[in-house]
Amino acid sequence: EAGVVQSPRYKIIEKKQPVAFWCNPISGHNTLYWYRQNLGQGPELLIRYENEEAVDDSQLPKDRFSAERLKGVDSTLKIQPAELGDSAVYLCASSARDRGGEKLFFGSGTQLSVL
Amino acid sequence: AQSVAQPEDQVNVAEGNPLTVKCTYSVSGNPYLFWYVQYPNRGLQFLLKYITGDNLVKGSYGFEAEFNKSQTSFHLKKPSALVSDSALYFCAVRDEAGTALIFGKGTTLSVSS
Repeated sequence: EAGVVQSPRYKIIEKKQPVAFWCNPISGHNTLYWYRQNLGQGPELLIRYENEEAVDDSQLPKDRFSAERLKGVDSTLKIQPAELGDSAVYLCASSARDRGGEKLFFGSGTQLSVL
Repeated sequence: AQSVAQPEDQVNVAEGNPLTVKCTYSVSGNPYLFWYVQYPNRGLQFLLKYITGDNLVKGSYGFEAEFNKSQTSFHLKKPSALVSDSALYFCAVRDEAGTALIFGKGTTLSVSS
């Protein structure tokens, strides 16, 4: 079974440029998450989807960040324009609700460097 | 609001010795608790979870964790550490309402041979 696939693996851009990250979750997983992990910190939730609906986007900086999950499968996270403080690893995860809790499967992440 | 604290940035242990990585939590109601591990240049991997039942939970790679409700702790343990256990370990919590996981800042485990 293929895991969560993210691309690109690395991205270097100049500030004020746009950038997009792509995620393909595990087949059949209806819940998809985007997390941001700053250096030396744990992952912080940006947005959570249940199928194609964003059910928790309270931590997403909506002035510059946007996300979509068309057809409830793949997802794209976009930043426009990027700022220096956006440099981080962007992690995608997916899960299928099991009994009593959720086990998240993470992709390898996209490491973004904003210069 | 729910939160997780990992009080140690780094834990050093010799191979063959027991290890403990500490975690305390704060959540409304009953907690759902998790440990994840992150190897260099890899995504986070699930180790184990506590939902209900026995306070001692067994997980992958010989790890276990002990849930202590009175101390609001969920420490990760292993009886005999391996060099290959060296990695970054994250504790996470969510509440019964089903919100997304909240992660601690992580603890680097270093096992020396």
